[in-house]
Amino acid sequence: DTGVSQDPRHKITKRGQNVTFRCDPISEHNRLYWYRQTLGQGPEFLTYFQNEAQLEKSRLLSDRFSAERPKGSFSTLEIQRTEQGDSAMYLCASSLGQGNIQYFGAGTRLSVL
Amino acid sequence: GNSVTQMEGPVTLSEEAFLTINCTYTATGYPSLFWYVQYPGEGLQLLLKATKADDKGSNKGFEATYRKETTSFHLEKGSVQVSDSAVYFCALVYGGSQGNLIFGKGTKLSVKP
Repeated sequence: DTGVSQDPRHKITKRGQNVTFRCDPISEHNRLYWYRQTLGQGPEFLTYFQNEAQLEKSRLLSDRFSAERPKGSFSTLEIQRTEQGDSAMYLCASSLGQGNIQYFGAGTRLSVL
Repeated sequence: GNSVTQMEGPVTLSEEAFLTINCTYTATGYPSLFWYVQYPGEGLQLLLKATKADDKGSNKGFEATYRKETTSFHLEKGSVQVSDSAVYFCALVYGGSQGNLIFGKGTKLSVKP
């Protein structure tokens, strides 16, 4: 069990560029969550998957954001046409079913210049 | 709506001092309550949890009791150590949700030797 891993750890991009982040959950976990954390705030829910199905999306997830989890394993979060307001830490968590503990990765810190 | 409010930080204590970090919540149904800790450069880790009223969660000397009558879940530790320096987040999962966590803003704790 290597835990939840996220890649890259840091991403600097220019406004208007597209970025993609990857999350590898704990191998047997069927649920995968994405959160966003801005400075001085707690993480805020973005979306979650049960296996390969994306079952819920927050209002925070604008149409510039898209997430996938092909084959129910790793997940990607893509942000198109990045804006300065997208600068944040993007966290991924996984769990074994609803109601079970969520294990978090270290996050990807995005800076949009 | 569902929300978590925790005391503002930062909190600075001397080693072996008593710690209390206040947390109150608003939630539909019967939420499960959590404390997560974030050490510098690391991902969020579950510290303790409680799933029903009057439950006490405990771990590593930390304790919190689920108080339905006061809608609170205060974190306490009798004697803090320098290694407890971190950011602490109170969080809930509310009844009827899909398991996504709702976090407070976090409280930064610094323990001086």
